[in-house]
Amino acid sequence: AQKVTQAQTEISVVEKEDVTLDCVYETRDTTYYLFWYKQPPSGELVFLIRRNSFDEQNEISGRYSWNFQKSTSSFNFTITASQVVDSAVYFCALSIITQGGSEKLVFGKGTKLTVNP
Amino acid sequence: NAGVTQTPKFRVLKTGQSMTLLCAQDMNHEYMYWYRQDPGMGLRLIHYSVGEGTTAKGEVPDGYNVSRLKKQNFLLGLESAAPSQTSVYFCASNRWGINEQFFGPGTRLTVL
Repeated sequence: AQKVTQAQTEISVVEKEDVTLDCVYETRDTTYYLFWYKQPPSGELVFLIRRNSFDEQNEISGRYSWNFQKSTSSFNFTITASQVVDSAVYFCALSIITQGGSEKLVFGKGTKLTVNP
Repeated sequence: NAGVTQTPKFRVLKTGQSMTLLCAQDMNHEYMYWYRQDPGMGLRLIHYSVGEGTTAKGEVPDGYNVSRLKKQNFLLGLESAAPSQTSVYFCASNRWGINEQFFGPGTRLTVL
């Protein structure tokens, strides 16, 4: 069965601290995609990154970085020098292929990050 | 491009009432999805569609029906609303072969 686990329900940090959000996934598929989405207090879902199962290179985008390790089935997300605007719920998701050939996302339960000034 | 839009943004229903949520996308995407988001549960897939005229059940389909009569629209219906259907509903779409889903702004539904 496909599953995404975000063990950290809530994290609170002080501005400028680094913070890592954990994501562990389960799948039997050899080809899959992993995603991170941000949901700010306004409620919309903002796409952050997609990573396919064949690309284990870490990625950095500004203050954001992602560490994908197939050996541990993890796709962790680090925010460097956090800012108050980073306060949001962050979701990790796994893309799976349905019997009909379409793809659907399985989401983790989310990690609520609060960055205090 | 408006992207993915959802109508209405908010709605309050009484138990037993019916309603339809409308999702529209102007990106010519083949795939469309309805999710519900509940506190501490993440997003769960209700129904999805791989093309006009086709629909399929997701993880939590009970109590909902869907229709995709036009490629750009995906309707989610509640025939007899229950308090357990109080939730935020998100619609999403993506192009065939491109698995980044684009999400609508959400509909907050309260069933009293």
